[in-house]
Formats: sequence, C-alpha cells, structure tokens
Amino acid sequence: SSELTQDPAVSVALGQTVRITCQGDSLRSYYASWYQQKPGQAPVLVIYGKNNRPSGIPDRFSGSSSGNTASLTITGAQAEDEADYYCNSRDSSGNRHVVFGGGTKLTVL
Amino acid sequence: QVQLQESGPGLVKPSGTLSLTCAVSGGSISSSNWWSWIRQPPGKGLEWIGEIYHSGSTNYNPSLKSRVTISVDKSKNQFSLKLSSVTAADTAVYYCARATYYYDSYNWFDPWGQGTLVTVSS
Repeated sequence: SSELTQDPAVSVALGQTVRITCQGDSLRSYYASWYQQKPGQAPVLVIYGKNNRPSGIPDRFSGSSSGNTASLTITGAQAEDEADYYCNSRDSSGNRHVVFGGGTKLTVL
Repeated sequence: QVQLQESGPGLVKPSGTLSLTCAVSGGSISSSNWWSWIRQPPGKGLEWIGEIYHSGSTNYNPSLKSRVTISVDKSKNQFSLKLSSVTAADTAVYYCARATYYYDSYNWFDPWGQGTLVTVSS
C-alpha cells in the first residue's frame, strides 16, 4: 500500500505565492494530481501529470515534483483560492490502487 | 462535455447494503476511461473505493474489497456501487468520477459528480 502526506493547514497573504506539498513513496514513480474543494462542493481537478491544467483553471496554478514530493504552487493567491486541496497518486505497490492525501486547508489572509 | 450524476437512497440501516448508481451523460461509458467511486466522511478527507472499466474489469481499495461490488450497465450508460454490511463509519458523501490513466501510469479524476450523502442509521 502507499500513503500520501499533506500539511493539514497552510495560509498565504492575498497576492502572495504559496506552495502546498504532498509526500509519499509512490510519487517517485507516478505524478500526483491535485484537486480543489470548496465547502459543500465536489472536488475539481486543477493539475494533473507533470504540470497540466484542465481548461478553465487559471495559470496561477502550477505543479512540480522532486523525489518523493509533489507540489502545487499558487502564484498570486486570490481570495477565491481559499479551499481544501487534495493530491492523489497511483499506489506504488504495483497494483492498480489509488491513494489520496489527507488534504490541506488553504486560508487566504 | 461528460457529466456524472449519483442517485440512490440517502439513508441505509446498519448491516444493510448501500446501493448507488452513477449516470453518465455527454459521453459513452465505453470510452477508454475507468469509472470510479470515491467517498468523503463528514469533515474528513477523500477515500478511493474502486473503479470499473466498460469490459467489467474492476479494482478495489484493499480495505473495502470484501464488502464492495462495482458493476457497469453499458445499455444504460451507467455504473453502480454496492457496499455491504454497512456501519456508521460508512456514512459519507459518495462521489462518482471518471478516471483517466496516462499509458497505465499516473491517473487523474475528472469530472466528478455532485456527490450524494448516505447516512447509515437505524
């Protein structure tokens, strides 16, 4: 099996840059994908693969990876970016299983 | 664009079976994607339950495998979840989502259904 670890909470001043991280052994083999979830709403995909953004996602969102750590960076955070962020990856065991990180609550000050 | 919509009972008795269906519109369930169930207990994080391909192949979360069955109905363009022997710990918002895999490598979920709250209580 595999686990993905995220910081429970992160804060950023309006207009500043913030990085949200996700750590796990499976990230040495697979890229992470990132999701934004606002209260009462379903998660929305914001980054997938090496650094791909779905249509409609602002270019202030970007992704990167190094070793066992994947990062989601928001450059110039906006008030509407306040949300929970989750990473996911394939399980590194070789089985077709999927794991999610515990989520990071982003507060925009 | 593809849209997903969950449906099913919002209340299930303990020891009973939770049954949900996800209707796929705007695209074919027979496309080269996997179709997934993901849940989120109130105030907690996301948990992957499992997935199905249109051929009927499935993969399940090892922690739930003994209680989960996911099936597909290509004629209705929908797929379903059954979770047996439920307890209060299975109370959660249940989402269906389309999973895409890049050359059997990394994956992502998009789009998601709106989610449906299932409460396990007598």
